Amino acid sequence: GDSVTQMEGPVTLSEEAFLTINCTYTATGYPSLFWYVQYPGEGLQLLLKATKADDKGSNKGFEATYRKETTSFHLEKGSVQVSDSAVYFCALSATQGGSEKLVFGKGTKLTVNP
Amino acid sequence: SQTIHQWPATLVQPVGSPLSLECTVEGTSNPNLYWYRQAAGRGLQLLFYSVGIGQISSEVPQNLSASRPQDRQFILSSKKLLLSDSGFYLCAWSAWPSEQYFGPGTRLTVT
Repeated sequence: GDSVTQMEGPVTLSEEAFLTINCTYTATGYPSLFWYVQYPGEGLQLLLKATKADDKGSNKGFEATYRKETTSFHLEKGSVQVSDSAVYFCALSATQGGSEKLVFGKGTKLTVNP
Repeated sequence: SQTIHQWPATLVQPVGSPLSLECTVEGTSNPNLYWYRQAAGRGLQLLFYSVGIGQISSEVPQNLSASRPQDRQFILSSKKLLLSDSGFYLCAWSAWPSEQYFGPGTRLTVT
């Protein structure tokens, strides 16, 4: 079945460092891909998305490019801030049983130190 | 704009007690609705989803159940809680097939 694999954390960086969180997927067809962010004690927020190959999603300085040839959707940010500390989830849309659902990775916890 | 509410925000219940968590969505009609559970240090597990009133699909067999009595209301229930039911419960909605929006969550501790 469809699945998402993302790098295991935790990831600890200093402020202004470069961030990469790897995400690869297995899917039949052409799913949409997403990154969600969860701040402590809160629900998930959609960070960015891409709906087809070579699309680049971007938001708040974060970027991810839908790479069909490598089945990847890596999250990057050029200069992280303390406020970026959160758990990041990669997800894909999957059609199962006539309904479309999201399949999530296990999440990567990011801590940014001042 | 659309908003999603969950209550209560936190709940502490003894083993064997009943459970009712509520989720409501405002600003949209006929949304798809979802219940997820997030155990400590783990990812999200889809529990139930609903494409319309009275239409519930279960993803994982367990002692939980879900109901959708109104178009924008989704309820998660249990007759008897287990210790393993502890976790962070998230409700989500989508108007389009793939993009989901999440509520603030309910933290449930079963003692």
